[in-house]
Amino acid sequence: EVQLMESGGGLVKPGGSLRLSCAASGFAFSTYALTWVRQAPGKGLEWISAISSRGLSTYYADSVKGRFTISRDNSNNTVYLQMDSLRSEDTGMYHCAKYSASSGYVPQLHFDSWGQGTLVTVSS
Amino acid sequence: DIVMTQSPDSLAVSLGERATIDCKSSQSVLYSSNNKNYLAWYQQKAGQPPRLLISWATNREVGVPGRFSGSGSGTDFTLTINSLQAEDVAVYYCQQYYTTQGTFGQGTKVEIK
Repeated sequence: EVQLMESGGGLVKPGGSLRLSCAASGFAFSTYALTWVRQAPGKGLEWISAISSRGLSTYYADSVKGRFTISRDNSNNTVYLQMDSLRSEDTGMYHCAKYSASSGYVPQLHFDSWGQGTLVTVSS
Repeated sequence: DIVMTQSPDSLAVSLGERATIDCKSSQSVLYSSNNKNYLAWYQQKAGQPPRLLISWATNREVGVPGRFSGSGSGTDFTLTINSLQAEDVAVYYCQQYYTTQGTFGQGTKVEIK
């Protein structure tokens, strides 16, 4: 069974930093691209970043480009999201998700498994 | 970026009746090389992560009840829930994955009338 478990969320002041982690199990982690999707309180889903299976390619939404960095450790089956220069509008639930098929790059595919998410609150 | 627009924002349907949600993309998500529509539907119940219901616009995922169906092509898509059940109360999202920045619709909340 595929499992994705996020951690690292919390309360942080504007301008601060957080590092989210997503620990994965139940699939061949090193062969799948992964992604982060966030959801502001009471709002819809927003794709924010993706990383290829070996970490050679990364992509970001304009809203986080230059502030967030995605990375992964295939030896520990974990993907990370380093969030710097946080703003109030970054507040929300952050989910990691798995692309539906293995690939060496970030594929044009849907997400077939999601984690429960970790809550980030940016407030003074 | 491709903008996804869903309608309506919310709807209330009686148990056993049909619910229909529309999704329109700002540009076609149909790849001419393989004739596939890069469009998915997700269901999100309160307090839960999204669940993939339908991929490639019409392909129902394993374990998804047969009352859920997807249709459409190009820029216009529809999710239909036939014979609505109480457990179908949720927010439904369409998503295009034609581009790497897979954008979502704003969501449609389905409730029981």
